[in-house]
Amino acid sequence: AQSVTQLDSHVSVSEGTPVLLRCNYSSSYSPSLFWYVQHPNKGLQLLLKYTSAATLVKGINGFEAEFKKSETSFHLTKPSAHMSDAAEYFCVVSDRAYKYIFGTGTRLKVLA
Amino acid sequence: EPEVTQTPSHQVTQMGQEVILRCVPISNHLYFYWYRQILGQKVEFLVSFYNNEISEKSEIFDDQFSVERPDGSNFTLKIRSTKLEDSAMYFCAGGPPFSDTQYFGPGTRLTVL
Repeated sequence: AQSVTQLDSHVSVSEGTPVLLRCNYSSSYSPSLFWYVQHPNKGLQLLLKYTSAATLVKGINGFEAEFKKSETSFHLTKPSAHMSDAAEYFCVVSDRAYKYIFGTGTRLKVLA
Repeated sequence: EPEVTQTPSHQVTQMGQEVILRCVPISNHLYFYWYRQILGQKVEFLVSFYNNEISEKSEIFDDQFSVERPDGSNFTLKIRSTKLEDSAMYFCAGGPPFSDTQYFGPGTRLTVL
């Protein structure tokens, strides 16, 4: 069965510094992996998606994630945080039936 | 850019009452889903729907829940007799053909008193 583990429930960074949100997955086959962002009182917005075409995936708003099979990781990064990045971020794995399994989420706080 | 919409944004109901949560997916999507997020907990899969029938449902989706696509545009989730523990944010999602990417609505916050 698939699962994802988000290693940090809260991350705080200063504006202009790098962001790293960690995600480890478990899957019995090559997974589809996603990062979604949820701003307060908003829906879940797709940031990026991995589907085995390339291990480094670029998403919207300057985010990217690297798929590392040897480490079963799919960490989300951004070189320079912006105040508008403050939100909750979810790592997601899709099973063969397209059902999503969510991580517990990481709340990103960006300090001025 | 097309978006998934959900109504109402917030629903307050008394325990034991029926509620219907509505979603309008993006028009060319064929796969539809409901998820819920109880406050402070992770987002959980409830049900998937394809070709006018349920594809898969979780153990949460018991006989009190039902889904329908009554008119080819709306996708509804009905809870027949709400319980306190049904209080949560409910998200609708849709997916285009031959893709496992899902596009989510803004959610309906259900409060059961």
